[in-house]
Amino acid sequence: EAGVAQSPRYKIIEKRQSVAFWCNPISGHATLYWYQQILGQGPKLLIQFQNNGVVDDSQLPKDRFSAERLKGVDSTLKIQPAKLEDSAVYLCASSSTTGFVTEAFFGQGTRLTVV
Amino acid sequence: QKEVEQNSGPLSVPEGAIASLNCTYSDRGSQSFFWYRQYSGKSPELIMFIYSNGDKEDGRFTAQLNKASQYVSLLIRDSQPSDSATYLCAVGGMGGGADGLTFGKGTHLIIQP
Repeated sequence: EAGVAQSPRYKIIEKRQSVAFWCNPISGHATLYWYQQILGQGPKLLIQFQNNGVVDDSQLPKDRFSAERLKGVDSTLKIQPAKLEDSAVYLCASSSTTGFVTEAFFGQGTRLTVV
Repeated sequence: QKEVEQNSGPLSVPEGAIASLNCTYSDRGSQSFFWYRQYSGKSPELIMFIYSNGDKEDGRFTAQLNKASQYVSLLIRDSQPSDSATYLCAVGGMGGGADGLTFGKGTHLIIQP
């Protein structure tokens, strides 16, 4: 089965610019997550969608970050305006909701550098 | 605020030996526990999950869970150079993997040939 697709793979922007990342989850996976992984740290959950509804966005810096999942499939994560501390890898993951324990599959990530 | 603590390492283990990785978590309501492996520049990939106290074995890997002590560990037997990576401990709630996970910072493991 095709994995989680993300684009772009790399992005370099200047601070105060805006940027958007795209994610296409595994077909049929209702749950989609965006994680931020700063160098040397573990991934931090930014937002979780169940179909096209938000389940958890408690750690999303809403003054500058936004995310949507139209039609319950693809998702975009936007940062506007970007700060230097936003430099990180942005990982998208998806999982199905059957069973008690389900595996979250990660995409290859988008490496963002803010200069 | 849920917290997951891991020793960042590096942990250096000779090839063929047992590598022991440890993790503690703060939220007593946590129900599911995951070990992910992450090679440099790559995304995390799931090695194992566990949700009952005790041991769970899968090939060369054994996960151990002690909810009373809020402690999770991963043992890697017959360590191979290809096991060299960062190992991330992650904790979920009642929904298991369908919940958003809280990750530790990871332990950098080096298997020395």
